[in-house]
Amino acid sequence: DAGITQSPRYKITETGRQVTLMCHQTWSHSYMFWYRQDLGHGLRLIYYSAAADITDKGEVPDGYVVSRSKTENFPLTLESATRSQTSVYFCASSATIRPEAFFGQGTRLTVV
Amino acid sequence: GQQLNQSPQSMFIQEGEDVSMNCTSSSIFNTWLWYKQDPGEGPVLLIALYKAGELTSNGRLTAQFGITRKDSFLNISASIPSDVGIYFCAGPTGGSNYKLTFGKGTLLTVNP
Repeated sequence: DAGITQSPRYKITETGRQVTLMCHQTWSHSYMFWYRQDLGHGLRLIYYSAAADITDKGEVPDGYVVSRSKTENFPLTLESATRSQTSVYFCASSATIRPEAFFGQGTRLTVV
Repeated sequence: GQQLNQSPQSMFIQEGEDVSMNCTSSSIFNTWLWYKQDPGEGPVLLIALYKAGELTSNGRLTAQFGITRKDSFLNISASIPSDVGIYFCAGPTGGSNYKLTFGKGTLLTVNP
């Protein structure tokens, strides 16, 4: 009954390094999403995916890359981390016909 | 894009008091969702509303889908300390049924 899990929960990385945040869901939901949460901005959509091999940009995609080779996984990669990418990242998923999204526990990323 | 204005930004109340918060938009929404986020956790869905005028309860929580379809309200009755957290409204945006826009949240503090 895992639902949606994110790893790692906490990560500290250096500016310029590549880092990948993992997301795995067990519901076979079609849609998956990556949000970042920052004080004063709420939750902002980075990228989303409607199905395996189908991804699209959200509100704040710059500096991020996603892939979805399998329905259950949706990793988010920061190709060259910057301090402005210090944030809490949430992965979410939803079924095809309903808008309700279910969230993971989040990854707190600090870029130093 | 569509924006959701959530108010108040924060509330400090005494245990046992009732709480009201709302969410407004300049655009029409077809679905309203209310989430709660506990400290250090991901948002959890509380209530989903699908029809203008709909009133839905979940325990001590009651939410309403505004008649104009541009607003929604969440009420918490007889608050308890575990009600502490951030409450978000959300709705599908951009002509899709799955990409959610979130309000910036209402931070609720309950004094025992």
